[in-house]
Amino acid sequence: TQLLEQSPQFLSIQEGENLTVYCNSSSVFSSLQWYRQEPGEGPVLLVTVVTGGEVKKLKRLTFQFGDARKDSSLHITAAQPGDTGLYLCAGGGIMDSNYQLIWGAGTKLIIKP
Amino acid sequence: EAGVTQSPTHLIKTRGQQATLRCSPISGHTSVYWYQQALGLGLQFLLWYDEGEERNRGNFPPRFSGRQFPNYSSELNVNALELEDSALYLCASSFGTSRPDTQYFGPGTRLTVL
Repeated sequence: TQLLEQSPQFLSIQEGENLTVYCNSSSVFSSLQWYRQEPGEGPVLLVTVVTGGEVKKLKRLTFQFGDARKDSSLHITAAQPGDTGLYLCAGGGIMDSNYQLIWGAGTKLIIKP
Repeated sequence: EAGVTQSPTHLIKTRGQQATLRCSPISGHTSVYWYQQALGLGLQFLLWYDEGEERNRGNFPPRFSGRQFPNYSSELNVNALELEDSALYLCASSFGTSRPDTQYFGPGTRLTVL
């Protein structure tokens, strides 16, 4: 069974602080996606990374795919209350002869003003 | 461009009843995915349809079933509802098996089983 472990599960910090969320697995993925979900809504795709070592930036968010394509991180600089939400990572690839998208359990992030 | 749409927004049923949830994908997308999300938790994969066929199925009992229509819209049916089926059911779509990892989600259907 392929697992994608996210940490931390919950994070509550003050506005202006920096934070990093991690997504780790023992499996190699062909791609990894990060989503953000707000209460009562569906997840919204933030970024897809496909190359080992790849770094993508989206304003104050920096996403990195591990060199071995087994892990990823999301770093938020100077967090703002609008960053509050559930952050989900998902790794994709052929597993057990079938394409699968494996989801992490999510990191619930609260940014306090 | 319209996003993924789902109906109904909310659905209240009692134990033993059947529920039918509907999803319309983004225009041009041929794949539809269904997920179950219990309160505030991660996504549990239910079903993947592409070009009218079931491509993959998650670890759910057979009373969870679905289908995809020729216009690529999809239905999720849940028979013999149980209390633990109460959850947000999310539908996502993608361009099909060529890019199944870039999924776009609808707002979900909140199913409550009493």
